[in-house]
Amino acid sequence: EAGVTQFPSHSVIEKGQTVTLRCDPISGHDNLYWYRRVMGKEIKFLLHFVKESKQDESGMPNNRFLAERTGGTYSTLKVQPAELEDSGVYFCASSQASTILREQFFGPGTRLTVL
Amino acid sequence: LAKTTQPISMDSYEGQEVNITCSHNNIATNDYITWYQQFPSQGPRFIIQGYKTKVTNEVASLFIPADRKSSTLSLPRVSLSDTAVYYCLVGDPRPNSGGYNKLIFGAGTRLAVHP
Repeated sequence: EAGVTQFPSHSVIEKGQTVTLRCDPISGHDNLYWYRRVMGKEIKFLLHFVKESKQDESGMPNNRFLAERTGGTYSTLKVQPAELEDSGVYFCASSQASTILREQFFGPGTRLTVL
Repeated sequence: LAKTTQPISMDSYEGQEVNITCSHNNIATNDYITWYQQFPSQGPRFIIQGYKTKVTNEVASLFIPADRKSSTLSLPRVSLSDTAVYYCLVGDPRPNSGGYNKLIFGAGTRLAVHP
């Protein structure tokens, strides 16, 4: 069974440009999450989808970030325009329908560098 | 959300048992304790979860005392491949709770296993 995949693995862009990150969750997982770790900081929650609906987007830093999950399958996270402080590793995770078990399956992450 | 405190780093040798203790003095009644492992350049991976007493799986054991204000992750006979960062997380997995499916990561414990 394929795990969570993320594309691209690395992205280097200049300040002011736009970048779109993609996440393909494990097939059948209704829950999809985005997290990020910026340099020297802890992994932080960004948002949570249940199917195509945003369940919790309390962690989104500002309106330069837009996440979508059309059709309830893959998700994209767009940063427009990118700023230097957006550099970091962006993780996507997925999990099955709500259970007591807090097991989320993480992808390998996308390393974003904004110059 | 309950805050967790764990050692910044630990060192061990191959074949030894490693115990990583996490403090969570403000744990709430409905909170579960979950541990994740992260290797370099990978996303975190679920290891084990418990509510009270002892939980064991093929990877680790989790010991939780009666007051639940701390927990200890035990890794038996570690190998070099167990070198990773280990995160202790506490949260309420119930829908519509503040911690619903939102993983809150701390700094984790960086475990180094030496030959």
